[in-house]
Amino acid sequence: GQNIDQPTEMTATEGAIVQINCTYQTSGFNGLFWYQQHAGEAPTFLSYNVLDGLEEKGRFSSFLSRSKGYSYLLLKELQMKDSASYLCAVRDMGKSSGDKLTFGTGTRLAVRP
Amino acid sequence: DTEVTQTPKHLVMGMTNKKSLKCEQHMGHRAMYWYKQKAKKPPELMFVYSYEKLSINESVPSRFSPECPNSSLLNLHLHALQPEDSALYLCASSQGGASGARGTQYFGPGTRLTVL
Repeated sequence: GQNIDQPTEMTATEGAIVQINCTYQTSGFNGLFWYQQHAGEAPTFLSYNVLDGLEEKGRFSSFLSRSKGYSYLLLKELQMKDSASYLCAVRDMGKSSGDKLTFGTGTRLAVRP
Repeated sequence: DTEVTQTPKHLVMGMTNKKSLKCEQHMGHRAMYWYKQKAKKPPELMFVYSYEKLSINESVPSRFSPECPNSSLLNLHLHALQPEDSALYLCASSQGGASGARGTQYFGPGTRLTVL
């Protein structure tokens, strides 16, 4: 099974940088995803990591350390529209799991002017 | 194009009603998913279809019945639901069995279900 932890809420200022952490314990690991979800809307894919290191995509970057069971999502030059929930999700490709994706509790980010 | 569509957007039903949720994708994806999401909670996996066959059922009550008529369509049939089943029901699809970023799941906008 999977156990995934994220902070429940964070607040940051427009234009600043924020780092959202995710720790996980897993019986099988085949990749970690970050999704953004605005209230009442569907999750949208942000990034994917399977090897250790940093993946950069514009204002968003994601880091993974498999040995530490740790990832973070880094958001730069924050904009008001970045106020949303950020979901960390781990994929388990064990024999009985198929394409199973387990989500963390999500971090609600509020960006203030 | 990473679009997954779902109908209806909103559904209100009584506990004795029978209704269906529909999901469609035309990305050639071979895995499709149903999730349930309560307010301020993460999505919870319900069912996974891989190559039109049910591969995962997360011990979902039988009042929820999934169906995959073909590789582009996924239905969720609802019968005798309870008020606690009220939630956002999300459909997703992915390339299925794929490693790497090719296995990314893409979500539809969801159906907001209210059971009275």
